[in-house]
Amino acid sequence: AQSVTQLDSHVSVSEGTPVLLRCNYSSSYSPSLFWYVQHPNKGLQLLLKYTSAATLVKGINGFEAEFKKSETSFHLTKPSAHMSDAAEYFCVVSEPRGGADGLTFGKGTHLIIQP
Amino acid sequence: DTGVSQDPRHKITKRGQNVTFRCDPISEHNRLYWYRQTLGQGPEFLTYFQNEAQLEKSRLLSDRFSAERPKGSFSTLEIQRTEQGDSAMYLCASSLFDVQGLEQYFGPGTRLTVT
Repeated sequence: AQSVTQLDSHVSVSEGTPVLLRCNYSSSYSPSLFWYVQHPNKGLQLLLKYTSAATLVKGINGFEAEFKKSETSFHLTKPSAHMSDAAEYFCVVSEPRGGADGLTFGKGTHLIIQP
Repeated sequence: DTGVSQDPRHKITKRGQNVTFRCDPISEHNRLYWYRQTLGQGPEFLTYFQNEAQLEKSRLLSDRFSAERPKGSFSTLEIQRTEQGDSAMYLCASSLFDVQGLEQYFGPGTRLTVT
């Protein structure tokens, strides 16, 4: 079985300051890990993915995440927040090659950007 | 646009009625997934198909829920005898199954309201 814990339900940062969204995972396998973003009234969009290659993964819009096996973490960061980053962010785990469980989503972190 | 499409985008129905939702995946994708997302939660995996075969359906929420993908292209999700607790966003995703790990592309969802 696999699970994801997003450690913060809400994160608020000022525009131009760094963003850190925390995620811990549990998996019986060497998992694939993803971050998805969901803007209001829009579909889920893939930000980045880790699939056992480089542990530091770069995604779209300046986001990146680092896979740390020893800490079972996959935190999402961005050096400088933009107002357009305000959205719901989901950390997601998948068994290798998808498995039978589909994707397992965390409960989400709501990112608020203060002007 | 060649993304995942879902129809309808919104559905309001009375308790006890049956509803059916349609999903058209990205054309070259052989896997299709259904998820349910309730307010304030991450999407919850329901079922998936590889081509026309339904490979996992134990996570469907009850026997009132069923899904088909008769020709390995579009899929339908049916809910019979709807209940107020079925009110949620129903998401469809598709992917190309390969050894690189799965990246799922999501549609905009169908929002169901049961009155």
